[in-house]
Amino acid sequence: DTGVSQNPRHKITKRGQNVTFRCDPISEHNRLYWYRQTLGQGPEFLTYFQNEAQLEKSRLLSDRFSAERPKGSFSTLEIQRTEQGDSAMYLCASSRAGPGVYGYTFGSGTRLTVV
Amino acid sequence: GIQVEQSPPDLILQEGANSTLRCNFSDSVNNLQWFHQNPWGQLINLFYIPSGTKQNGRLSATTVATERYSLLYISSSQTTDSGVYFCAVFYNQGGKLIFGQGTELSVKP
Repeated sequence: DTGVSQNPRHKITKRGQNVTFRCDPISEHNRLYWYRQTLGQGPEFLTYFQNEAQLEKSRLLSDRFSAERPKGSFSTLEIQRTEQGDSAMYLCASSRAGPGVYGYTFGSGTRLTVV
Repeated sequence: GIQVEQSPPDLILQEGANSTLRCNFSDSVNNLQWFHQNPWGQLINLFYIPSGTKQNGRLSATTVATERYSLLYISSSQTTDSGVYFCAVFYNQGGKLIFGQGTELSVKP
């Protein structure tokens, strides 16, 4: 069990560019979550998958954001036409189904800076 | 939606002191987790505690779900305890976590 892995750790991009982040969950976990955290705030829910199905999306996830989990293993989060307001830490977490029993494990996050 | 409030927002301690962090939530929840976010941004699980009391070394946590609060106790604090402590609640069967704003702890040597 190597934990939840996120890549890259840091990303600096120019406004208007597209960026993609990757998350590799713990192998036996079938739920995967994306959160966003801005400075001084707690993480905010973006979306989650159970296996390959995207089951819930936050209103924070605008049309410029898309997430996939094609084979129920790793997931990608893409942001198109980045804006300075997208600068944040993007956190991925995974759990077994029914996190009411098992709880979450978070990755180290990807810090995005849009200049 | 559900509100999660943590207090105090900031706390400064001398090494060796004890502290209590509080988390209040506005509605019934399925479960609750405490996390420590280190200076590098990593969220570390501390406790998964729907009710009752759990202890892990110098840390312990108590959740009283019927009264909608949880407490995190840190005894004999060390400089490595510094960081932000988050409480997060599971609000529905989907497993979405709702986080509080955190308590930023600074332990001075």
